[in-house]
Amino acid sequence: AQSVTQLDSHVSVSEGTPVLLRCNYSSSYSPSLFWYVQHPNKGLQLLLKYTSAATLVKGINGFEAEFKKSETSFHLTKPSAHMSDAAEYFCVVTAPTGTASKLTFGTGTRLQVTL
Amino acid sequence: DGGITQSPKYLFRKEGQNVTLSCEQNLNHDAMYWYRQDPGQGLRLIYYSQIVNDFQKGDIAEGYSVSREKKESFPLTVTSAQKNPTAFYLCASSILRDTTEAFFGQGTRLTVV
Repeated sequence: AQSVTQLDSHVSVSEGTPVLLRCNYSSSYSPSLFWYVQHPNKGLQLLLKYTSAATLVKGINGFEAEFKKSETSFHLTKPSAHMSDAAEYFCVVTAPTGTASKLTFGTGTRLQVTL
Repeated sequence: DGGITQSPKYLFRKEGQNVTLSCEQNLNHDAMYWYRQDPGQGLRLIYYSQIVNDFQKGDIAEGYSVSREKKESFPLTVTSAQKNPTAFYLCASSILRDTTEAFFGQGTRLTVV
């Protein structure tokens, strides 16, 4: 069984300040983990993925995430927020032997970026 | 460009009517999926298919039906049996391999009027 918990439903930051979106997971296997971003009324776009290689994963648009097995966490960070980062972000877990049908989504974190 | 196309973007349905949402992909992916998205609930899997002429129920299949007659196409029918059909519907596809990610369409917003 697997699950994912996004610890904040809403995060607000000022433009130019760091972003931290928190995600904890539970999995019976060594998991694969993803972060997706969704802009209003749009589909989901993959930001980055962890698949048991380097624990620090770099993604698009300056985002990165660190896999910490001891803490069962996969938090998403960005050094400096931009207005265009305002969107909803989903943390996703899957088992390594599964197909995408085994994706389990968190409930999402809405990121607000203010001037 | 390769991708997943969902149509229409917005759809209105009267209560008691069936409606079909279209999903087409030209990524040559074997697997296709339908998700439903409601505010504050993330994405929930409705149906998925890993091969033509075969599909499996996801977590919330009741009131929905699908077909997979072609590799490129995976239409979803929302039937009158679905008690609360108003939602944002997302189609996705992927290759069949460990650790693979899914690629998503732009979604269809269905509203029952």
